[in-house]
Amino acid sequence: SAVISQKPSRDICQRGTSLTIQCQVDSQVTMMFWYRQQPGQSLTLIATANQGSEATYESGFVIDKFPISRPNLTFSTLTVSNMSPEDSSIYLCSVGSRSGNTIYFGEGSWLTVV
Amino acid sequence: AQSVTQPDIHITVSEGASLELRCNYSYGATPYLFWYVQSPGQGLQLLLKYFSGDTLVQGIKGFEAEFKRSQSSFNLRKPSVHWSDAAEYFCAVGAQAAGNKLTFGGGTRVLVKP
Repeated sequence: SAVISQKPSRDICQRGTSLTIQCQVDSQVTMMFWYRQQPGQSLTLIATANQGSEATYESGFVIDKFPISRPNLTFSTLTVSNMSPEDSSIYLCSVGSRSGNTIYFGEGSWLTVV
Repeated sequence: AQSVTQPDIHITVSEGASLELRCNYSYGATPYLFWYVQSPGQGLQLLLKYFSGDTLVQGIKGFEAEFKRSQSSFNLRKPSVHWSDAAEYFCAVGAQAAGNKLTFGGGTRVLVKP
């Protein structure tokens, strides 16, 4: 199994600022995934982070707003830039097992933008 | 592209009664299917998963789900609901070919009446 740690767990941010969320995994993984869960909504994939290459963004998400770093096989960051209240969400990091049949999620980073 | 539909947004069930949550998916290849539960203010917890083999899958907390390829469904069931089962339930589809990224349904909120 994989243990995923996310920081911060919660934060209240001012409009117009940026916040970087960290995701640390206790084992090496090829791909890491970032999801967003807006209040009362389901989870939506933001992007896939591969080590050594640029992240792949899903439709509706852009690098300027959600820059991602993946410096090694156990760590990734997601930055939420120039935040507005609409960015108030839970942001979750996820990884898959080598076989692909188990997906692990972090506890999430709960962001409130005021 | 893969997609997941959970037709029921809300379900209210009496404690002790049976529960069935519907999930229909669309995916061109053999899917991996997951059910997650999210209690208020909590992160995601995996209830069960299907990736091959027996189409009836047993999970935690007394839940089970049945994969029906002909109906593109993966419905979740529990014979007798407890008040602690009140939560949001998410069905998700993924595949190793897709690199372990998941597509989530919109979720079903379960309310349990005493």
